[in-house]
Amino acid sequence: EVQLVESGGGLVQSGGSLRLSCAASGFTFSSYWMHWVRQAPGKGLVWVSRINSAETNTTYADSVKGRFTISRDNAKNTLYLQMNSLRAEDTAVYYCARSSGGYSYGAFDHWGQGTLVTVSS
Amino acid sequence: QSALTQPPSASGSPGQSVTISCTGTSSDVGGYNYVSWFQQYPGKAPKLMIYEVSKRPSGVPDRFSGSKSGNTASLTVSGLQAEDEADYYCSSYAGSNNVFGTGTKVTVL
Repeated sequence: EVQLVESGGGLVQSGGSLRLSCAASGFTFSSYWMHWVRQAPGKGLVWVSRINSAETNTTYADSVKGRFTISRDNAKNTLYLQMNSLRAEDTAVYYCARSSGGYSYGAFDHWGQGTLVTVSS
Repeated sequence: QSALTQPPSASGSPGQSVTISCTGTSSDVGGYNYVSWFQQYPGKAPKLMIYEVSKRPSGVPDRFSGSKSGNTASLTVSGLQAEDEADYYCSSYAGSNNVFGTGTKVTVL
């Protein structure tokens, strides 16, 4: 069974940093593109970032470019999101999601349960 | 990187059909056949309902169907049931990024 479990969320002050983790199991993690998606309280889903299986290709939403860094450790089956210079508007539940078929254009076929990041101003 | 446009709400009585639109541009919805639809209940993670415009993952009822014309994709839920009441989001591959729709709350009357 595919499982994605996020951790690392919490309360942080504006300007601070936080690193999220997403532990993957039940599939060959090293073969799949992975994404981070966030959802502010009461708002819609917003794509944040994606990374290819070999960690050679990363892309970001304009709203986080230069502040967030996506990475992965295929030996540990774990996806990361390093978030720096956090702002109040980054407050959201952050989900990791798998891209189906091992492609960047694959659908988000499995999601974690999410981890809440709250940035206080 | 603008969000895809969805109507904020849609509704129907049990047994009826409801169709949700998702409008983008030639850079996302219109440029690729990689449109997905997700169902989300409050406090829960999204669930993939449709991928590649019209394909259903295993386990998704055939009451859910998808289509696309030009820059607009659509999700139709036929034979509405009480458990279909949820938020629905479209998503599209856009080359250098991915983008979600603004979301539609479906109410079963």
